[in-house]
Amino acid sequence: EAGVAQSPRYKIIEKRQSVAFWCNPISGHATLYWYQQILGQGPKLLIQFQNNGVVDDSQLPKDRFSAERLKGVDSTLKIQPAKLEDSAVYLCASSSIRDAEDTQYFGPGTRLTVL
Amino acid sequence: QQPVQSPQAVILREGEDAVINCSSSKALYSVHWYRQKHGEAPVFLMILLKGGEQKGHDKISASFNEKKQQSSLYLTASQLSYSGTYFCGTDSMGSSNTGKLIFGQGTTLQVKP
Repeated sequence: EAGVAQSPRYKIIEKRQSVAFWCNPISGHATLYWYQQILGQGPKLLIQFQNNGVVDDSQLPKDRFSAERLKGVDSTLKIQPAKLEDSAVYLCASSSIRDAEDTQYFGPGTRLTVL
Repeated sequence: QQPVQSPQAVILREGEDAVINCSSSKALYSVHWYRQKHGEAPVFLMILLKGGEQKGHDKISASFNEKKQQSSLYLTASQLSYSGTYFCGTDSMGSSNTGKLIFGQGTTLQVKP
């Protein structure tokens, strides 16, 4: 079974530029998460989707971050404009609603550096 | 409220045991444990649900004390491959899994030959 795919793996941009990350969850997983992991810290949930609907985006800085999951499969996370403090690894995870334990499986992440 | 992990870091020799603790100020529905190696994605280890006290496979096991709102991860006879940063993620929203995990700050484990 293929895991969670993310691209790009690395991205370097200047502040005030925009950037987008892509995630393809495990096949059949209805729930998709985006996390931000700052160096030396645990992952922080930004947004949770179930199919193509948003379940929780309370931690998403909506003035600059946006995310969508059209057709309930792939998802993109966008930052516009980027700030220095957005430098982090952006992790995508997915889980199956058929899994009573709701195990989340993580992708390899996108490491963003904002200069 | 972010769960608190202790210790922050631990260094072991191969074959030694370690315990990593995770404490929350909120009532918990579940605790999820992950291990992350440098530059890699977090890898799922195990989940403990409300009502289930202990789980384990091979030499890694965990316990969940609902009353104390704590979980502990036990690593026995540690191997070099156990090195990494361990995170607990807690789900404390209501009486069922919501998936909204709050992760601790991590415990860095280094196993030396």
